[in-house]
Order: sequence, then C-alpha cells, then structure tokens
Amino acid sequence: GNSVTQMEGPVTLSEEAFLTINCTYTATGYPSLFWYVQYPGEGLQLLLKATKADDKGSNKGFEATYRKETTSFHLEKGSVQVSDSAVYFCALTQGAQKLVFGQGTRLTINP
Amino acid sequence: DGGITQSPKYLFRKEGQNVTLSCEQNLNHDAMYWYRQDPGQGLRLIYYSQIVNDFQKGDIAEGYSVSREKKESFPLTVTSAQKNPTAFYLCASSIQVGAQETQYFGPGTRLLVL
Repeated sequence: GNSVTQMEGPVTLSEEAFLTINCTYTATGYPSLFWYVQYPGEGLQLLLKATKADDKGSNKGFEATYRKETTSFHLEKGSVQVSDSAVYFCALTQGAQKLVFGQGTRLTINP
Repeated sequence: DGGITQSPKYLFRKEGQNVTLSCEQNLNHDAMYWYRQDPGQGLRLIYYSQIVNDFQKGDIAEGYSVSREKKESFPLTVTSAQKNPTAFYLCASSIQVGAQETQYFGPGTRLLVL
C-alpha cells in the first residue's frame, strides 16, 4: 500500500537558518503530494501541494518539488522565523484512496 | 467566510458517558473525515463519508459512531466502548477536482476523560 516517510524530529534551528525536512513516499502511479502544518493546539493547515511530477508547490516562503525519480517531496525554506515553529506533516493521496500521512516532524526555531 | 468549524474546543467525558463532537462545513464539500491524533503522533482515520447518508469505517472505528444526515454536518460520537478516548480529534472535508482530492481541516476538539 501507499506510505509516507518523514525525517525524524525534533528539528531545532536558529532564526534565519535554511530548513530542509525530508519526505519520501511509496505509491504506484502518480499520487498527489501535500505538506500540512500544525501550530500548537490547532488543526492542520494546508501549506502547499503538487499534483504531478516536477511540479513545485510554494507558500509563505516554503517550497517543495515533486520528484518522481527519487519519490521525494522535501520541504525547504531559505530563512526560517520563530513563527515557523510547528509540526509539519507530509501526505499523499491517490485517486479515490484515503489521505496517507507521515508521522510528522516537530520544528523549533530559536531566536 | 467559508470553512470548517468544530465544537466544542475542549470536551470532558465522565466514565461510561457518550459524548458527541460537532463538525460543520460550509464549503459545499462532498466528503468529510474524522481523525484522531495522540500526543506526538500522526493522524489516524476513524470514519469517513463521501456522500450524504453513507459512511465507511477507517482504521480505528471501534468505540466510535457517526452520522451524515446533511451535507454540511458530520458529528462523531465517542461511546463508552472507547476505553482510551483522550486525544485531539480533527475533522476534515475535501474537494475533488478531476482525479485530485485536497483535504482541509477544522481547528480540532480536545477530549479529556474525568
């Protein structure tokens, strides 16, 4: 079945550092890929998505590129802020199948 | 404003009591979902509904029940059969464009057992 694997956290960075959170997936065919963000005590917010190979999703300075050849969808940001501290979830869906989540990566940004 | 609302934000349950969590959406989405999130963990699917008056069990349906009488509403009941109900419950709805589906989430309800 389909699955998503994220880099284990927690991840701690200083403000203005470069961020990468790795995400790889297993699926047949061409799934849609998503990054969701969860701030403390809140629900999940859709951060960005990509629906086909080589698509780049972007939002709020975050980017992720759908790489079919490496089955990856790594999340990147060039300069993180304290307000980016949250839990980040990579996920995929395929056709009518259910959304499959990674285990989440907790990110803490120190001033 | 369009969106998904969940109420209450916090809910307390006594032993042996059934409680119902509300989820409403005004996005005109056909499908709705309930997830459970335990501390430090990912999301697990409880139930989902792709159309009014129809719903399917997810991965952890035991001890829970749902109804879908209206397109806008998908309440979740946590029954006394659910022995470990303390968790954060998230409702979602989705829109399908062609073959691609995108889920959007509500703010969540935290359930605590007294």
